[in-house]
Amino acid sequence: TQLLEQSPQFLSIQEGENLTVYCNSSSVFSSLQWYRQEPGEGPVLLVTVVTGGEVKKLKRLTFQFGDARKDSSLHITAAQPGDTGLYLCAGASGGYQKVTFGTGTKLQVIP
Amino acid sequence: DTEVTQTPKHLVMGMTNKKSLKCEQHMGHRAMYWYKQKAKKPPELMFVYSYEKLSINESVPSRFSPECPNSSLLNLHLHALQPEDSALYLCAISPGGTDTQYFGPGTRLTVL
Repeated sequence: TQLLEQSPQFLSIQEGENLTVYCNSSSVFSSLQWYRQEPGEGPVLLVTVVTGGEVKKLKRLTFQFGDARKDSSLHITAAQPGDTGLYLCAGASGGYQKVTFGTGTKLQVIP
Repeated sequence: DTEVTQTPKHLVMGMTNKKSLKCEQHMGHRAMYWYKQKAKKPPELMFVYSYEKLSINESVPSRFSPECPNSSLLNLHLHALQPEDSALYLCAISPGGTDTQYFGPGTRLTVL
């Protein structure tokens, strides 16, 4: 069974601070997605990374895929209250039909 | 822009009721999924349809019955549910040949 562990589980920070969320596994993934989810809503796709060592930027968010494609990180610069939500990583391997979701990181940004 | 719609947004049902959840997409994506998500937990895969055929059933109880009548629609028929089945039910779609899944807004189900 593939597992994706996210850390930290919970994070409460002040507006303007920086933070990093980690997504780790012992398994290799062909690609990895990051989602943000607000309460009662579906996850919204932020990014897909597919190449080992790949770095993608989305405004204040920076995503990195590990060289061995077993782990990923999400760095947020100058967090804002609108960044509040549940962040989920999801790894795919062996085809598009099944992904493994991470354990989730609940972020709260306090104004 | 990838759009997946789900209806209803909220559903309250008794344990003897029969109801259905609906998911619709017009992107032509050929893989469609049902997930169940409990509070503060990641989504759990229930079913996968590929080209309108059921390809994965994650040992889901028979009180949940999926149906894919065409490439745009995915239904989840519910019958004799238990209170522990209360959760957010999510539909997702994926273009064939890629790993990325796009989610709908979900249906919040409460079983009394």
